[in-house]
Amino acid sequence: AAGVIQSPRHLIKEKRETATLKCYPIPRHDTVYWYQQGPGQDPQFLISFYEKMQSDKGSIPDRFSAQQFSDYHSELNMSSLELGDSALYFCASSSTIQGADIQYFGAGTRLSVL
Amino acid sequence: GIQVEQSPPDLILQEGANSTLRCNFSDSVNNLQWFHQNPWGQLINLFYIPSGTKQNGRLSATTVATERYSLLYISSSQTTDSGVYFCAVNTNAGKSTFGDGTTLTVKP
Repeated sequence: AAGVIQSPRHLIKEKRETATLKCYPIPRHDTVYWYQQGPGQDPQFLISFYEKMQSDKGSIPDRFSAQQFSDYHSELNMSSLELGDSALYFCASSSTIQGADIQYFGAGTRLSVL
Repeated sequence: GIQVEQSPPDLILQEGANSTLRCNFSDSVNNLQWFHQNPWGQLINLFYIPSGTKQNGRLSATTVATERYSLLYISSSQTTDSGVYFCAVNTNAGKSTFGDGTTLTVKP
């Protein structure tokens, strides 16, 4: 079965650079979530989209933005990167139509800011 | 927002031993999921269990929604069971709130 696809798997950037993370949800899933997991921490919710519209927002810095496109893939854009942005970034998708509120997680993108 | 507490924070077992991990949450939830995060960082979904009991091989889970807790049982543990186990809940808001995790180390 198709899973949530994230790219790239690993990304190394310098301070003050920009980064773009991509997420391809499971086909026919209508909701996408982004989470950030710092070293030794639990994943923290950043932002979510339902049917291409932002549905909820968590502790997402103003330097970050995200959107969901017409094909339902989502991108997380991160500018003016800081050392503290080094983390594992997860994307998850779910389907409200299927009734069960199960979130399926991608393998994550490991961002290292040097 | 909702609070999620997991215990114990760390657990060291000898291969073959059994263990119980606990997750307490502070409010009613629509969903509860147990995840295993492997050494490569991947979050593997173990159970979707907002209530009741489920079993999958050596793993089983029970959620008592009225008392706001869930238990994950691991029997006959193996070294490959090592990693961090997260409990994550969500309410009507949809987003998941994770506990701090239990770090399990299974020694050969």
